[in-house]
Amino acid sequence: EDQVTQSPEALRLQEGESSSLNCSYTVSGLRGLFWYRQDPGKGPEFLFTLYSAGEEKEKERLKATLTKKESFLHITAPKPEDSATYLCAVQARIQGAQKLVFGQGTRLTINP
Amino acid sequence: DAGITQSPRHKVTETGTPVTLRCHQTENHRYMYWYRQDPGHGLRLIHYSYGVKDTDKGEVSDGYSVSRSKTEDFLLTLESATSSQTSVYFCALSRGPGQSSYEQYFGPGTRLTVT
Repeated sequence: EDQVTQSPEALRLQEGESSSLNCSYTVSGLRGLFWYRQDPGKGPEFLFTLYSAGEEKEKERLKATLTKKESFLHITAPKPEDSATYLCAVQARIQGAQKLVFGQGTRLTINP
Repeated sequence: DAGITQSPRHKVTETGTPVTLRCHQTENHRYMYWYRQDPGHGLRLIHYSYGVKDTDKGEVSDGYSVSRSKTEDFLLTLESATSSQTSVYFCALSRGPGQSSYEQYFGPGTRLTVT
């Protein structure tokens, strides 16, 4: 069964304190791994797509990396405005169609 | 902003009442999706559409139906709302087959409360 597990469930950091969020997955034939950011009361906002092990993508203070079993979202010198829930999803073939399977997210809080 | 709007944004309804949520897009994306998001369950796919009048079920489709009579609109109907359908509903869209085209872009959500 295709599955995505994110850890930790919640993370609290001080401003400037770098850390990483983990997304481990099991899927038959990975076609894409996606990271989203979700602010309270809003829809998920697309951040990155990773397609193959070893690939990296960067955007401001965020860098996403991918291995054969997991992805990391590295946050360097975070600011309070980086506080949000970060969602990971994998593209999987389910019942003959391509669909996204989401993890439950990591709730990140950056204290000033 | 992927040009997605959802209406209504908030709705309170009574058990047994039919409810229709609307998703509207302005960018002519082929694929459209309805998800629900609940604490402890994350985002779960209800139904999706791969073209006008082409729809299929997701993992939590019981109690829901959809229709897509034109490219820009995807409707989600709860035939007889139940308290278990209290949730936040998100519409999403993507371009379709091909690399980079399964990236999904989400609307702002509809908060539905069934009393």
